[in-house]
Amino acid sequence: KAGVTQTPRYLIKTRGQQVTLSCSPISGHRSVSWYQQTPGQGLQFLFEYFSETQRNKGNFPGRFSGRQFSNSRSEMNVSTLELGDSALYLCASSLGSGVVETQYFGPGTRLLVL
Amino acid sequence: AQSVTQPDIHITVSEGASLELRCNYSYGATPYLFWYVQSPGQGLQLLLKYFSGDTLVQGIKGFEAEFKRSQSSFNLRKPSVHWSDAAEYFCAVGAGTNAGKSTFGDGTTLTVKP
Repeated sequence: KAGVTQTPRYLIKTRGQQVTLSCSPISGHRSVSWYQQTPGQGLQFLFEYFSETQRNKGNFPGRFSGRQFSNSRSEMNVSTLELGDSALYLCASSLGSGVVETQYFGPGTRLLVL
Repeated sequence: AQSVTQPDIHITVSEGASLELRCNYSYGATPYLFWYVQSPGQGLQLLLKYFSGDTLVQGIKGFEAEFKRSQSSFNLRKPSVHWSDAAEYFCAVGAGTNAGKSTFGDGTTLTVKP
């Protein structure tokens, strides 16, 4: 079974631009979560989508948004990029059935904002 | 609000020696606890999880963890460390049964001396 895939793997943007990251979950998984990982703040939860609906949201500004498609693929968008948005963005998928489950993480997208 | 503390930022052990990584959590109800490992440039891999039952949990790669409610701890152990265990380790607490919104500790970097 293919794992979680994230595209692109690396990205360089400049301040003020916007960016869209993509995540394809494991087949059959309906929950997709996004995390931001930085050396200073560690791993922080951004949001979780389940069946095309945002189920949970972390404490990030509105510049960070996401969506999930009917095939469970998810995208996250960051508008008006700031230098502090440079980070590794991780996506994780799980079945989403409500029982405590294993999350499977993708390799991440490394975003550098110049 | 839930929180996780990993008191040790960096630990160095000799190959073949035993290992214990500490994790303390704060959560109002029964916690759902996870340990992940992250190798350089890669996503996170689940080592083990706890949500009920036996307080000693066995995971992959020879790791185990013990849940101690009275101490709010979930320490990770391995009896004999291998050089390939060098990585960063994260403890996390899930929000209820929903693993999709997890709070992570700051991580412990493990160095293995030959």
